[in-house]
Amino acid sequence: LAKTTQPISMDSYEGQEVNITCSHNNIATNDYITWYQQFPSQGPRFIIQGYKTKVTNEVASLFIPADRKSSTLSLPRVSLSDTAVYYCLVGEATGRRALTFGSGTRLQVQP
Amino acid sequence: DGGITQSPKYLFRKEGQNVTLSCEQNLNHDAMYWYRQDPGQGLRLIYYSQIVNDFQKGDIAEGYSVSREKKESFPLTVTSAQKNPTAFYLCASSVPYSGNTIYFGEGSWLTVV
Repeated sequence: LAKTTQPISMDSYEGQEVNITCSHNNIATNDYITWYQQFPSQGPRFIIQGYKTKVTNEVASLFIPADRKSSTLSLPRVSLSDTAVYYCLVGEATGRRALTFGSGTRLQVQP
Repeated sequence: DGGITQSPKYLFRKEGQNVTLSCEQNLNHDAMYWYRQDPGQGLRLIYYSQIVNDFQKGDIAEGYSVSREKKESFPLTVTSAQKNPTAFYLCASSVPYSGNTIYFGEGSWLTVV
């Protein structure tokens, strides 16, 4: 299983761009990279997924370098409601392997 | 609406009792998972099932048991052998060949009294 490493916590202010990096040095060829957001006492929810280069949706961007050994979740202009824990998950496309989460990054957005 | 339903939301267990947490999904997903989350910590995998009548232990299976008799249902039993069961329990499901897109229920809080 590809092990992931993320910063334990990050602080930001409203309106700033936040970049959270995840290291996954032993990522396999068939692995995708997915980011999840979790609020207290709720289940994590999907944010964005990618395989290589850059992916963008209405809430975030995901940057993946050519070697795919890391990835960066970018949240533009964060607000207080973005205060949450963010998890990076690496898993194969078939979904046949158990999905394990790391400890996540606790983002605190200040006014 | 399609989704994953966990019940009960809050459950209290006395010492020595077994309790069962329910998880039902109507997403037609093959794979289902149970995770445990302690306050301020990440998610740890208890059990997972990729297909009906088959399941595998995760990282912290001791003191827990599961069954997968139907595609829609994946109940988790917390046995008396689990010495520190107080935690937030999350059930999830995913579709094969979807990368690692996993859908979660709203979770169940279990407290030992």
